[in-house]
Amino acid sequence: NAGVMQNPRHLVRRRGQEARLRCSPMKGHSHVYWYRQLPEEGLKFMVYLQKENIIDESGMPKERFSAEFPKEGPSILRIQQVVRGDSAAYFCASSPPGLAGPSGANVLTFGAGSRLTVL
Amino acid sequence: AQKVTQAQTEISVVEKEDVTLDCVYETRDTTYYLFWYKQPPSGELVFLIRRNSFDEQNEISGRYSWNFQKSTSSFNFTITASQVVDSAVYFCALSGSSGGYQKVTFGIGTKLQVIP
Repeated sequence: NAGVMQNPRHLVRRRGQEARLRCSPMKGHSHVYWYRQLPEEGLKFMVYLQKENIIDESGMPKERFSAEFPKEGPSILRIQQVVRGDSAAYFCASSPPGLAGPSGANVLTFGAGSRLTVL
Repeated sequence: AQKVTQAQTEISVVEKEDVTLDCVYETRDTTYYLFWYKQPPSGELVFLIRRNSFDEQNEISGRYSWNFQKSTSSFNFTITASQVVDSAVYFCALSGSSGGYQKVTFGIGTKLQVIP
């Protein structure tokens, strides 16, 4: 049973380019989350999605960042016109459907992360 | 609003010592879940434990134990007889009913170094 798959693991971009990070959730999971990890700041929530729906994007910058989780295919976090401050590790997590309590739907399974470096 | 505070940013212990990682949380929700995750040097976060706000029983799993105290809003994590493999960053986290339990807020993490 494959876990949460993220690619690429490492991505280097020059300022102004676009970065696309992909996440395939664990089999059977219908919820996807993106977190950003910066040194000295821990993990910061960015966005929570279900298939074809953004449920909560309160942690995502309003400009240049977007996320989607299409009916088919992986979830994608897209960063346009990257700047040096976007350099970070971006983690995707998934959880099963259902209520948080009985099903453990808020127990997140994390991917290995995608490390973005902006030159 | 939810907040998780891990006041210890880095801890170093000698192998076989016991170590406690502190976690203090804030939430207005009456129902919530608390978590601990481990991030070893490889980078991937590993789930360790989830407790709900109605269950204040302490839990022990091998060398790991957790002390949940609602009165002090704390959910501390103790590793007994630490080993080098315990070296990692440990995150405490919280999700509450106001976020549908799905939005998980993490603390800044405590980096634990176990010295052989």
